[in-house]
Amino acid sequence: QVQLLESGPGLVKPSETLSLTCTVSGDAISSYYWNWIRQPPGKGLECIGYIYYTGSSNYNPSLKSRVTMSVDTSRNQVSLRLTSLTAADTAVYYCARVSASGWYFDNWGQGTLVIVSS
Amino acid sequence: DIQMTQSPSTLSASVGDRVTITCRASQNIASWLAWYQQKPGRAPNLLIYKASNLESGVPSRFSGSGSGTEFTLTISSLQSDDFATYYCQQYNSYSWTFGQGTKVEIK
Repeated sequence: QVQLLESGPGLVKPSETLSLTCTVSGDAISSYYWNWIRQPPGKGLECIGYIYYTGSSNYNPSLKSRVTMSVDTSRNQVSLRLTSLTAADTAVYYCARVSASGWYFDNWGQGTLVIVSS
Repeated sequence: DIQMTQSPSTLSASVGDRVTITCRASQNIASWLAWYQQKPGRAPNLLIYKASNLESGVPSRFSGSGSGTEFTLTISSLQSDDFATYYCQQYNSYSWTFGQGTKVEIK
C-alpha cells in the first residue's frame, strides 16, 4: 500500500523560504506525476504544481515565480520550495500522486500545516 | 486556466435523502473529472474518477455522471458518514483545478 508523508517546519517567518519533503513508501516514485496541493484554513484546495519523476514540472501561474519542485528517486522523495512567504501562504500542504490510469489523485499524504508568522 | 464552479456551496440534508451536487467547467474537459470527499482534519479521499467510475471501496450509493462541461455527483441515500465537504477536480493539459467545494450538513 502506497503511503505519502509530508515533512517540514510547522512555523516559518514572513519573507522566508519554505521547504517541504514528501517521502513515498510502498511504491517507487518512478513513472508517476506528483502534485503539491495546499488548503488554507477553512478554505478550498489549490494545486501548486506537479513534477514528473524525470524532473519535468509545471507550476500554478499565480505561484510560478516563487515555486520550485524537485525529485530524488534514490530516496523516493519529492520536494517543494516556496520563497518569499506571506501570511497568505499559511495552509495545510499535501502531496498527492496522480494515478497511472487517469489524471486524478489516487493517493494523498496526511498533510502538514504550515503557519507563516513572525 | 479552466475554472470549476460547484453548486450549491452548502447543502442541508437528512439521512436517507437523495443528494445531487453539480460541477461546471469553463471549457470542455471530456470526462477528465474526479470527485473527492473531505472530512475535517483529513486529506481528501477519491470517490469517483473519469466522471463516472467508482473508486474501489467506495459505497455504491455514490455515483457520478456527465461529460464536457456539466457533471454531477449523486448520493442516492445519504448516510451519517457522508456529512462532509465534496470537491470536484478537473484535468486539462497538465493543469489540475478544483471546484470551491460543497459542504453537506445535517438538516
